[in-house]
Amino acid sequence: QKEVEQNSGPLSVPEGAIASLNCTYSDRVSQSFFWYRQYSGKSPELIMSIYSNGDKEDGRFTAQLNKASQYVSLLIRDSQPSDSATYLCAVKLWGTGNQFYFGTGTSLTVIP
Amino acid sequence: NAGVTQTPKFQVLKTGQSMTLQCAQDMNHNSMYWYRQDPGMGLRLIYYSASEGTTDKGEVPNGYNVSRLNKREFSLRLESAAPSQTSVYFCASSEGLVGGQETQYFGPGTRLLVL
Repeated sequence: QKEVEQNSGPLSVPEGAIASLNCTYSDRVSQSFFWYRQYSGKSPELIMSIYSNGDKEDGRFTAQLNKASQYVSLLIRDSQPSDSATYLCAVKLWGTGNQFYFGTGTSLTVIP
Repeated sequence: NAGVTQTPKFQVLKTGQSMTLQCAQDMNHNSMYWYRQDPGMGLRLIYYSASEGTTDKGEVPNGYNVSRLNKREFSLRLESAAPSQTSVYFCASSEGLVGGQETQYFGPGTRLLVL
């Protein structure tokens, strides 16, 4: 059973809309959660990290964590064409020697 | 501050050849990681080193070996390359805080083609 599941998409939204990306994880002892953005041919770069239940906002990005339901989401407000990329969800589990588990990514296209 | 650097950027090998991928970080991080990324498969952990002097297998270690040369450097070796090892390889590092709220930083990647 995969640790982290994401809808592979592709997800298309018009410019200025809200993009919603979702991720579920299987292990209840997961402790830290991350969203990475990866442009084609580039390495992943961190957008947001979240450790506690609730919302965390950073500019146009909001991460939402619900540990009871075992999901974490990323909202991108006022989506821009430059947001077009693959978004990777990652989870760090307690007691795994600092291992991070990644989902397969969701491809987002923002249409001008 | 260069962050995480990887060499080479691109490599073509013939089946059975060997090579070593190099990774270095200048952030004084304790933990370092090697991932491979294949289309539709996401990032899969090959090996990691939680701290200097330790290495552990990840999800897909077969066909690979690693060396944590010192705190800065973590190399990945393919002893006898196979076409199934054609992939993009990423090195990453993190502070290595037990129970910590930490971030992984990635290198630019090495694109490997095995013929």
